Amino acid sequence: AQSVTQLDSQVPVFEEAPVELRCNYSSSVSVYLFWYVQYPNQGLQLLLKYLSGSTLVKGINGFEAEFNKSQTSFHLRKPSVHISDTAEYFCAVSDKDSWGKLQFGAGTQVVVTP
Amino acid sequence: DAMVIQNPRYQVTQFGKPVTLSCSQTLNHNVMYWYQQKSSQAPKLLFHYYDKDFNNEADTPDNFQSRRPNTSFCFLDIRSPGLGDAAMYLCATSGRDRFYSPLHFGNGTRLTVT
Repeated sequence: AQSVTQLDSQVPVFEEAPVELRCNYSSSVSVYLFWYVQYPNQGLQLLLKYLSGSTLVKGINGFEAEFNKSQTSFHLRKPSVHISDTAEYFCAVSDKDSWGKLQFGAGTQVVVTP
Repeated sequence: DAMVIQNPRYQVTQFGKPVTLSCSQTLNHNVMYWYQQKSSQAPKLLFHYYDKDFNNEADTPDNFQSRRPNTSFCFLDIRSPGLGDAAMYLCATSGRDRFYSPLHFGNGTRLTVT
């Protein structure tokens, strides 16, 4: 069984400051990892994914994440945020045996202020 | 643009009155998913179709049913909605190579039960 823990429920950040959203997972098998963003009253949009290969993954909108197998983590970072990055961010895990089904973390609300 | 479309965006139904939510896709993906997302919670998988094969999650209530008449359309039927079924319902699709195909989400239908 898999599980995902997002350590921060809310992260306030000033515009143009860096942000890091933390995600830890547990799984007994090799995993695929994802970060999704959800704007108010909208569906989820894929930011980036880790399937294999390089542990540093670059995504859309200037986000990147690093897969750390020894620490079972997949933290999301952006060096300089914009007001438009205000949204809910979900970390999710899947594996080869789960048919692409995603187990989501509880989400981190990012609030960017001027 | 290829996309996942959910109708309606907002649905109000009465306690116990059957309701149907619809999802269509132009991506020609063979896997379609229904997720339930309650307020301030992570999305939770209800069931998915791989082509016409229906796969129910073990903890999905019997009150929830689904139909997929063709590749493009999928419906979520709630036979007797309760107050606890008020949520955002998200439809998603993924491609044939499901282990590497990220999920594409629609914008969701927000269901209110009065």
